[in-house]
Amino acid sequence: DQQVKQNSPSLSVQEGRISILNCDYTNSMFDYFLWYKKYPAEGPTFLISISSIKDKNEDGRFTVFLNKSAKHLSLHIVPSQPGDSAVYFCAASYDRNSGNTPLVFGKGTRLSVIA
Amino acid sequence: EPEVTQTPSHQVTQMGQEVILRCVPISNHLYFYWYRQILGQKVEFLVSFYNNEISEKSEIFDDQFSVERPDGSNFTLKIRSTKLEDSAMYFCASSPPATDTQYFGPGTRLTVL
Repeated sequence: DQQVKQNSPSLSVQEGRISILNCDYTNSMFDYFLWYKKYPAEGPTFLISISSIKDKNEDGRFTVFLNKSAKHLSLHIVPSQPGDSAVYFCAASYDRNSGNTPLVFGKGTRLSVIA
Repeated sequence: EPEVTQTPSHQVTQMGQEVILRCVPISNHLYFYWYRQILGQKVEFLVSFYNNEISEKSEIFDDQFSVERPDGSNFTLKIRSTKLEDSAMYFCASSPPATDTQYFGPGTRLTVL
């Protein structure tokens, strides 16, 4: 039951170029989407999120785009830096009741930024 | 900047033993969560907790598991009679009021032998 799919297990990008990580979802009830970054032996670190009422959210080098009709979102990192090398997880949620929003995660994409 | 903390970082136990994993959520947060990640697999939701009771639990969270907020700061996950397949990273997360963003702790690696 893969409600959130990240079809690319890995991605390599040259330093300074754009990294584009993709995510697809199947559950139409999802209304909030998040990207997390994870280093080995650490917990997921929140990067950026987007509500379903928007189609773009930007925070510094990170931009998330949401295409609701295609049930697709992407994370753009510009410019990519070697320190961005990590596993990136897409996650989605919807509010069951009064703020209870369990996250459904994708399998992750390992980004390698090559200097 | 406030962080979610978890102890211990690594717990090794024998099959059939009970373990308690501890978390200190960020202080003004209201919702608390446990997730786990088996090696090579997705991060999976286990349970959410609000106002001193379980809000939701996944099918993974069976009678072997329980959660508790014994005082104003700690949030614990108890696993009774551990099995080999309980070996995983266990992550605690919390979210503040009026937002759906969850902040994760560093995790506890549980190894069941």
